Amino acid sequence: GQQVMQIPQYQHVQEGEDFTTYCNSSTTLSNIQWYKQRPGGHPVFLIQLVKSGEVKKQKRLTFQFGEAKKNSSLHITATQTTDVGTYFCAGDNTGKLIFGQGTTLQVKP
Amino acid sequence: DAGVTQSPTHLIKTRGQHVTLRCSPISGHKSVSWYQQVLGQGPQFIFQYYEKEERGRGNFPDRFSARQFPNYSSELNVNALLLGDSALYLCASSLISGGTEAFFGQGTRLTVV
Repeated sequence: GQQVMQIPQYQHVQEGEDFTTYCNSSTTLSNIQWYKQRPGGHPVFLIQLVKSGEVKKQKRLTFQFGEAKKNSSLHITATQTTDVGTYFCAGDNTGKLIFGQGTTLQVKP
Repeated sequence: DAGVTQSPTHLIKTRGQHVTLRCSPISGHKSVSWYQQVLGQGPQFIFQYYEKEERGRGNFPDRFSARQFPNYSSELNVNALLLGDSALYLCASSLISGGTEAFFGQGTRLTVV
């Protein structure tokens, strides 16, 4: 079945450093979504990418969708302590979200 | 407008028992999906319902069942509970059955002892 892999599993950064998480799917995706889950919380939608090669920005966050629509990345510039949490990518298979295992970001002030 | 609401928030059950988890989607949303999230992992898809019909089922045993009511709320039932069923159960609602953002509830933390 379809699998979504995400690396790294954990990332510890100093506040102000950049952070990137990578997502790879075993199959071509119709779209990919990114979610953030704070400790003890629930996943919160960040963005959806649909087009091949698409790049979207939200303030310090930059999301990319690969040309083959099988990989994606999330880059955070100049991390802040409010960025802590686990970032998940999820491939959308007609409403069935296939989540990666997530990248947990810790930010040291 | 209220978000996705789930009940109960926490639950402790004994092996072999059954459990019913409830979810109310955002008003106007017709699709409800259920996910199981074990500590340290991403959510795993269990079921999707749209317009009261099952639209998808994940790789879970028949002990797991669900339904969607005319008001679009949903129940997840798990029979013959095992220790391995301990997890956070998340409900997500969306306007349509795919291609749009999912809004997650706060989840039900199920502990099986």
